[in-house]
Amino acid sequence: KAGVTQTPRYLIKTRGQQVTLSCSPISGHRSVSWYQQTPGQGLQFLFEYFSETQRNKGNFPGRFSGRQFSNSRSEMNVSTLELGDSALYLCASSPDSPDQPFHEQYFGPGTRLTVT
Amino acid sequence: GQNIDQPTEMTATEGAIVQINCTYQTSGFNGLFWYQQHAGEAPTFLSYNVLDGLEEKGRFSSFLSRSKGYSYLLLKELQMKDSASYLCAGGSGNTGKLIFGQGTTLQVKP
Repeated sequence: KAGVTQTPRYLIKTRGQQVTLSCSPISGHRSVSWYQQTPGQGLQFLFEYFSETQRNKGNFPGRFSGRQFSNSRSEMNVSTLELGDSALYLCASSPDSPDQPFHEQYFGPGTRLTVT
Repeated sequence: GQNIDQPTEMTATEGAIVQINCTYQTSGFNGLFWYQQHAGEAPTFLSYNVLDGLEEKGRFSSFLSRSKGYSYLLLKELQMKDSASYLCAGGSGNTGKLIFGQGTTLQVKP
């Protein structure tokens, strides 16, 4: 099976602009989670989508939003970019079958966003 | 709160054993995950514990004590390629939400 893919891999934006990042999960995986990784804060949970619904949300401002499509592909959007949004944005997918209490998450390679 | 604490850096010698500790506040988590992340790469899953005790997977083992809010990752027969960041993460039930610690950067020296 192909792994989690994310596009684009690298992005440079200017303060005030908005950006949309895309994630395609492993085939058959219905849960998609997004994380922000920075040297100072580490890996921080943004939100999780399951069956096109946001199931969990982290402590990020409303400028960060996401959605999931019927084929489980997900996008996240950041509006009014700030310098502090420069980070590696990681997407992870999980099979999420009801007969298992926990599921390992498989991470994509990430999108490196630089805000200038 | 859901803080997860782990040492920032560790150094060990090739062929040795190293234990990376992780402590967490017990409320809110009912499973502990360990991930490995090489510089410039995505995290890769190593193990998870939902019950107290030791889970062994080849050279890697992970231990959990839920009452103490304590976990560790044990790496045996260290190899140079084990130089990486090791991330401890708490999970809540059957969801994709993980709360990560800051990660422990392990340097393996010859």
